[in-house]
Amino acid sequence: AQTVTQSQPEMSVQEAETVTLSCTYDTSESNYYLFWYKQPPSRQMILVIRQEAYKQQNATENRFSVNFQKAAKSFSLKISDSQLGDTAMYFCAFLYGGSQGNLIFGKGTKLSVKP
Amino acid sequence: DTGVSQDPRHKITKRGQNVTFRCDPISEHNRLYWYRQTLGQGPEFLTYFQNEAQLEKSRLLSDRFSAERPKGSFSTLEIQRTEQGDSAMYLCASSSRQGSTQYFGPGTRLTVL
Repeated sequence: AQTVTQSQPEMSVQEAETVTLSCTYDTSESNYYLFWYKQPPSRQMILVIRQEAYKQQNATENRFSVNFQKAAKSFSLKISDSQLGDTAMYFCAFLYGGSQGNLIFGKGTKLSVKP
Repeated sequence: DTGVSQDPRHKITKRGQNVTFRCDPISEHNRLYWYRQTLGQGPEFLTYFQNEAQLEKSRLLSDRFSAERPKGSFSTLEIQRTEQGDSAMYLCASSSRQGSTQYFGPGTRLTVL
């Protein structure tokens, strides 16, 4: 069975600085996708970034980038130039490509951006 | 299209009562998912529809839970004889094809007294 582990329950960062959130996963599959979702307080979950396992190049979306280490089964999220609006719970999620779509989430990391 | 919508946003009920939640997916998405999220945890998968067919159910979905998607558009999730342990956020998501990104609704927060 696949599992996703986020080892940092809470993190904080100063505005404009860079922070990295960690995620590791366990799977024996080769066809899968990885996601980072953001859930602001009392607001809905939105996609931050997505990575296909078959792609060697790390995904980037503006200030957000990932460090995908397939052999180490590691998928960390780097947020550059942190903004107050980045304050949220961040969830790492795994999707097996052969499944019907059952996303497996980690427990999340609560990120606070301080002015 | 404004995304996935869910109704109601909040529901407070007494133990033993039945409740029903509704999810309207993004209109062109044929895949619809239900998840449950308890405090301090990530969402956990409950069930999945492709069009009107319910193709997968989690062990978490006890006999008191039932979900439908009668015309392949909106979906309902019903919980019968609610228990305090059912208190959670119930999230709906939709996607267009296998492996594609799932887009989430705002959720329905259920409180069972």
